[in-house]
Amino acid sequence: AQKITQTQPGMFVQEKEAVTLDCTYDTSDPSYGLFWYKQPSSGEMIFLIYQGSYDQQNATEGRYSLNFQKARKSANLVISASQLGDSAMYFCAMREVLTNAGKSTFGDGTTLTVKP
Amino acid sequence: NAGVTQTPKFRVLKTGQSMTLLCAQDMNHEYMYWYRQDPGMGLRLIHYSVGEGTTAKGEVPDGYNVSRLKKQNFLLGLESAAPSQTSVYFCASSSGGSANTGELFFGEGSRLTVL
Repeated sequence: AQKITQTQPGMFVQEKEAVTLDCTYDTSDPSYGLFWYKQPSSGEMIFLIYQGSYDQQNATEGRYSLNFQKARKSANLVISASQLGDSAMYFCAMREVLTNAGKSTFGDGTTLTVKP
Repeated sequence: NAGVTQTPKFRVLKTGQSMTLLCAQDMNHEYMYWYRQDPGMGLRLIHYSVGEGTTAKGEVPDGYNVSRLKKQNFLLGLESAAPSQTSVYFCASSSGGSANTGELFFGEGSRLTVL
């Protein structure tokens, strides 16, 4: 079974609107971290936001927030007030501390296109 | 502030040739990783290292070797390149094993084409 599943290969959003990118994960490790990375067309990988498995509150970083639903094993990324520069590929990743030696596993990504 | 630096950025090889990708980080990170990214796919872990002198296999290690002789450097070698190894290779580093840290810092990527 895939450890990280991103079911939306592509998403479109109107500029200034909010968008949610889905991510579900599968782990038996009680200690894990969830990450979102952005990959623009230039190719570099940019860290956006982190959520720890023991964190009680959803993580937020500026216009990014992570909707963490532990029982459902989901970690959706919410981008508010979309900008043209948000057009990129977005990857969800999970780092398992005890069962996977701290390695990170990535989903296949979602391509977000922001329309003017 | 260099962060993670990969060399070379681009390389074209013929089948059977060998090459080494170099990754250098200046953040004193313990953990270093090599990933490959194929079109339309996420990153898959090739090999990783949890400290100087240590290496371990990741998800797709076949056809690759690595070495971590110095803490700041992580080398990825292809002994006999194959067309299936055409990909973009990313090096990354992180500070440790706790789930409360572990954000990956990436290099810019190295695009390898094997003809």
